[in-house]
Amino acid sequence: AQTVTQSQPEMSVQEAETVTLSCTYDTSESDYYLFWYKQPPSRQMILVIRQEAYKQQNATENRFSVNFQKAAKSFSLKISDSQLGDAAMYFCAYRSPSNDYKLSFGAGTTVTVRA
Amino acid sequence: GAGVSQSPRYKVAKRGQDVALRCDPISGHVSLFWYQQALGQGPEFLTYFQNEAQLDKSGLPSDRFFAERPEGSVSTLKIQRTQQEDSAVYLCASSLARATDTQYFGPGTRLTVL
Repeated sequence: AQTVTQSQPEMSVQEAETVTLSCTYDTSESDYYLFWYKQPPSRQMILVIRQEAYKQQNATENRFSVNFQKAAKSFSLKISDSQLGDAAMYFCAYRSPSNDYKLSFGAGTTVTVRA
Repeated sequence: GAGVSQSPRYKVAKRGQDVALRCDPISGHVSLFWYQQALGQGPEFLTYFQNEAQLDKSGLPSDRFFAERPEGSVSTLKIQRTQQEDSAVYLCASSLARATDTQYFGPGTRLTVL
């Protein structure tokens, strides 16, 4: 089974600044998918960004970007120009192509944004 | 509908009661998933449907948990003889095709067992 580790239970960032959330995972597979999901207090989980392991280029979605280091099994999320609406719990998730439906989630990082 | 909906949003049960949690996936979505999220934790996979077929139920914690999707659309997660350790948020997600697409989550049902 894949293990996803988020070592930062909480992160705080000043509005308009940048914060980076870390995620590491354990796998023996060479091809897989990685995701960052955002879960605001309303609890609706929303996909932020996804990365296919076979793609070397880091995924970017507006103010959100990832740093995917395949050899190090690291998948960090950078939030640039942080906004109050970014405050939420962020989950890193892994999906295997050989078991291509289950998402394995980390424990999450709570992000607070200071005005 | 615009997204995945779940009902009820909150459920309080006395220990030993049976509960039924409903999920309405996005129209046309073939794949449906249930996850259990304990307080302060990430979701844990429970079970997966492709249309009406339950292809994986390996995550169900005990035989008190049962899920169905008889017509390949709405799904119900049933918990019999609820225990305090069943208290959690139950999330439903759906995806368009064979689950290789993005999973879209519902708002969840928060179950509290007293």
